[in-house]
Amino acid sequence: DTGVSQDPRHKITKRGQNVTFRCDPISEHNRLYWYRQTLGQGPEFLTYFQNEAQLEKSRLLSDRFSAERPKGSFSTLEIQRTEQGDSAMYLCASSLTDRAFLNTEAFFGQGTRLTVV
Amino acid sequence: QQPVQSPQAVILREGEDAVINCSSSKALYSVHWYRQKHGEAPVFLMILLKGGEQKGHEKISASFNEKKQQSSLYLTASQLSYSGTYFCGTVTTDSWGKLQFGAGTQVVVTP
Repeated sequence: DTGVSQDPRHKITKRGQNVTFRCDPISEHNRLYWYRQTLGQGPEFLTYFQNEAQLEKSRLLSDRFSAERPKGSFSTLEIQRTEQGDSAMYLCASSLTDRAFLNTEAFFGQGTRLTVV
Repeated sequence: QQPVQSPQAVILREGEDAVINCSSSKALYSVHWYRQKHGEAPVFLMILLKGGEQKGHEKISASFNEKKQQSSLYLTASQLSYSGTYFCGTVTTDSWGKLQFGAGTQVVVTP
């Protein structure tokens, strides 16, 4: 098991373009999170999935953001019509929940650094 | 609701001790501690569960005060490798699935 994998590691895009990031969680991890982190701040919750179901989406996530996790395996995060304020590190994490669907430890990927110019 | 961490930063000499605090305005189910080095992903250190015991990881340990809805991380006899930013992540009893992070505490250990 190689851990949580994210692709690409870096993305530079022009304002107004669409971008898509991919996250491959640790196999058998049923919970997958997306976070955004800007310099000097903690990871900011965006959304999470339990298997293929998207259970919660942050109010911070505008309509330009969409995430999917088809078949409960990898996940994609798409940002449409990117803005300069979207520049950040996008982190994915996965965890295995227990029988009560409660959290065990979450493991992070290396992140995708997005720069919007 | 994000947890609040204190202090924002601490500078230590090798071998010194430090305490990082994490507090929540909501009832906690669990607290997760992570360390992040510059340009890297956060790395899991330990998890403390409601009603659980104090945990340890090398010379880093943590406690969970359910009454005060607080957790503290103890860095004992700090080593240079302990430098980084420490984040607490919390799961509250009214939001089981979501792990919310504090703003972080930057720790610098000098020789």
